Amino acid sequence: AQKVTQAQTEISVVEKEDVTLDCVYETRDTTYYLFWYKQPPSGELVFLIRRNSFDEQNEISGRYSWNFQKSTSSFNFTITASQVVDSAVYFCALSMNSGYSTLTFGKGTMLLVSP
Amino acid sequence: GAGVSQSPSNKVTEKGKDVELRCDPISGHTALYWYRQSLGQGLEFLIYFQGNSAPDKSGLPSDRFSAERTGGSVSTLTIQRTQQEDSAVYLCASSLGLAGDRGANVLTFGAGSRLTVL
Repeated sequence: AQKVTQAQTEISVVEKEDVTLDCVYETRDTTYYLFWYKQPPSGELVFLIRRNSFDEQNEISGRYSWNFQKSTSSFNFTITASQVVDSAVYFCALSMNSGYSTLTFGKGTMLLVSP
Repeated sequence: GAGVSQSPSNKVTEKGKDVELRCDPISGHTALYWYRQSLGQGLEFLIYFQGNSAPDKSGLPSDRFSAERTGGSVSTLTIQRTQQEDSAVYLCASSLGLAGDRGANVLTFGAGSRLTVL
């Protein structure tokens, strides 16, 4: 069985601070995929990134960066110089297959960025 | 369509009534998923349809819940004899679903149907 744990329920920061959202996963499979989704107050989940288990390279996209470490089963997400528009609930998720596959989601971390 | 469309966006019903929630996936997406999001509970998988294969119903919480997908496109989630604990946001998502394609298992979500059972 697979499991995703996001231990941080809520994080509050002031604009321009850096913030890291933690994600720890459990799976017995050697091939898997990890995702991050953003759910802004409007409610619609927005895909941010997908990584497969064979690619441990960290990725940077603008102010967003992701740190994937198989040794600790973690896939953490960092927002640099946070902005008010980053306020949302962020979900980490795990999938077993590259095609048809359900996603197992963590419970989400609510990020509040104040001006 | 350009995105995943769900209707109604909001539904208020009385306990014991049946409700139907509709999902229109992205054109060309062969996989369709239903999730439920309850307050503070994250996203709970309900059911998914994979092309022409039998659906995976392993997440349905009781036999009051059912779903169908007609013609490989539009899906309807039906909840019979609704209970107050069914109150939640029901999210539909679709994906390309073809193994090997880059991004095939990336789910695109609709805005959800908020169900309130009084």
